[in-house]
This record gives sequence, structure tokens and C-alpha cells, in this order.
Amino acid sequence: DAGVTQSPTHLIKTRGQQVTLRCSPKSGHDTVSWYQQALGQGPQFIFQYYEEEERQRGNFPDRFSGHQFPNYSSELNVNALLLGDSALYLCASRWTALSGGYTFGSGTRLTVV
Amino acid sequence: AQSVSQHNHHVILSEAASLELGCNYSYGGTVNLFWYVQYPGQHLQLLLKYFSGDPLVKGIKGFEAEFIKSKFSFNLRKPSVQWSDTAEYFCAVSPYGGSQGNLIFGKGTKLSVKP
Repeated sequence: DAGVTQSPTHLIKTRGQQVTLRCSPKSGHDTVSWYQQALGQGPQFIFQYYEEEERQRGNFPDRFSGHQFPNYSSELNVNALLLGDSALYLCASRWTALSGGYTFGSGTRLTVV
Repeated sequence: AQSVSQHNHHVILSEAASLELGCNYSYGGTVNLFWYVQYPGQHLQLLLKYFSGDPLVKGIKGFEAEFIKSKFSFNLRKPSVQWSDTAEYFCAVSPYGGSQGNLIFGKGTKLSVKP
């Protein structure tokens, strides 16, 4: 059990569509980060949310947006999907007050056709 | 730009062989360092981490890593691998000072252990 829950596990979308991915952090965690993992690559940081605000952002276009809710859960939205957006999207959470590594979810596999 | 390099894309070993996976990073400041493992079909799991102190860090399942600041390296080692260590291993760096810092990952090293 990862402790971090992501939904859905798999998703197929058409180019140009919009998608929303969801993440419930591990109990007690208040910071959520999203990563994109293309095939054969390491995860790439998209953005991080803490106290319902985007705190850091990686090198991703504005088509990628997110939200964090008062219960610390988070959503990742991608607009105007491109074929290149096909990847495994990972959510990771941590408790900001405690040093340590992030706990990762199992990811959502997004395929854009 | 900050980056993490993992030297080997795919390593194949026999059981009981010793393992060393290389990791180098490019960042001039203080960093926190991590190794994550991804077993087939499973999520990324933290193997070990280095924040400060003793540069030789021990993690789970008999893994250890050594931080050599002068070489910007954080190599992962295990004296004797088992078939169950077959997985993909990712080195990651987080620039210090951001308690909310993001992780910069290497491309990963796939380890295959032959029984």
C-alpha cells in the first residue's frame, strides 16, 4: 500500500481534450507534488502545492495546472492534450514539518491518441 | 540547470554479486540526496536519504550510499544482491533550503539479477 492514492489508474484521451487526475496524499501529509514520467525516463517535476497554493513549478507549459483542496488532496489538469503528454503521472506527498523523502503513489497512466 | 546523471542504463548481475550504481549531480549548493527503487508493477519507494552528517548512509534491504561532496556523487552499493533486488533504481536530488523543495531525478538504472 503506497499510502498515496491516485485515480484513475489508466486513462485514454484524444488529442486536444482535457484531463483531470486526482491524488489523495498519505494521512498526515500536507504537501503534494506532481511528476511526469515518460517511458524510459526518470520522473520530472511539474509543480508542488502547499496550503492550497502552487509553491514551485517545473518547466511545464501553462496547459498544466493544479489545485489543492483544504483536505490536502490535489488535482492535476492538462488542457489541449498533445500526443507527447502520454506518460505516467505520479503524485507524491510529504509532511512539510518533518524532514524526509516523499511518498509516491502508483501513478496514472495517460495515453493520448 | 540542475541535473542528475546515472551512469548505467541497465545492469545485469548474478545473485551474490556486489552492486554499485553511480549517481552524479550538478548543483553548486547544498543538496539533499535520495535513492528510490521501483519494483516491477509497484510505486516508487524510498531506499535511503542523505541530509547531513555521516556521508555513509544505510538504507533498507541492505543498501547503502556514500556521499562524496568533492565528486558531487552519491553512489548506491550493496555487497550481495538477491533476485528480489531486480528493479529500477532512481537517484534524486533536492536543493537544500527548500523544505518544500522538488526532486530532480536521474533517468534510472534498471537492475536485473539472475538467479
